[in-house]
Amino acid sequence: DQQVKQNSPSLSVQEGRISILNCDYTNSMFDYFLWYKKYPAEGPTFLISISSIKDKNEDGRFTVFLNKSAKHLSLHIVPSQPGDSAVYFCAASDPGNTGKLIFGQGTTLQVKP
Amino acid sequence: NAGVMQNPRHLVRRRGQEARLRCSPMKGHSHVYWYRQLPEEGLKFMVYLQKENIIDESGMPKERFSAEFPKEGPSILRIQQVVRGDSAAYFCASSQQGPETQYFGPGTRLLVL
Repeated sequence: DQQVKQNSPSLSVQEGRISILNCDYTNSMFDYFLWYKKYPAEGPTFLISISSIKDKNEDGRFTVFLNKSAKHLSLHIVPSQPGDSAVYFCAASDPGNTGKLIFGQGTTLQVKP
Repeated sequence: NAGVMQNPRHLVRRRGQEARLRCSPMKGHSHVYWYRQLPEEGLKFMVYLQKENIIDESGMPKERFSAEFPKEGPSILRIQQVVRGDSAAYFCASSQQGPETQYFGPGTRLLVL
């Protein structure tokens, strides 16, 4: 039972353009979401998070949007840079208050120069 | 401020041997999480520990796997009698409080021959 889904395995965009990575979830009790970026042979690096009391959070080139009614969130990267090429994971914090994270399968972003 | 440390980074074991993976959380963090990433998949939660206590082990296989986080020293994930299906990347994450942003270590890549 995949509670967090990233339906696009890969995405390719041109440098300078916008990258939009999508994530869907099934459990309406999820109230905190995070995006992580991962390079090969490294651990995930925290990028940005959002609480369910908000619908948008922005940090520099990264913005996360949350649509609770659709159980959907997205990560926007503007402008995209070649160094953004990595695997991006969406995660939800378990509502049972342990803080364990439930991850999507990941989306591989390639930004072409 | 050093990040989450994991060692070894790579571990090769033959079937039937034991694997011990170590994790030192970030300074000031007392919550440790272990995740496993199988090839071509997202990260899956295994266990959540605080100092000297296992809080949630719902993601741990029932046999051969154990974890501890002693009062002094790193957290240890122990896999007894390893099988080829245990080959994966094992990541440790830490946080100051449970339901909060987790910071990941570089991972240990276990290969079982």
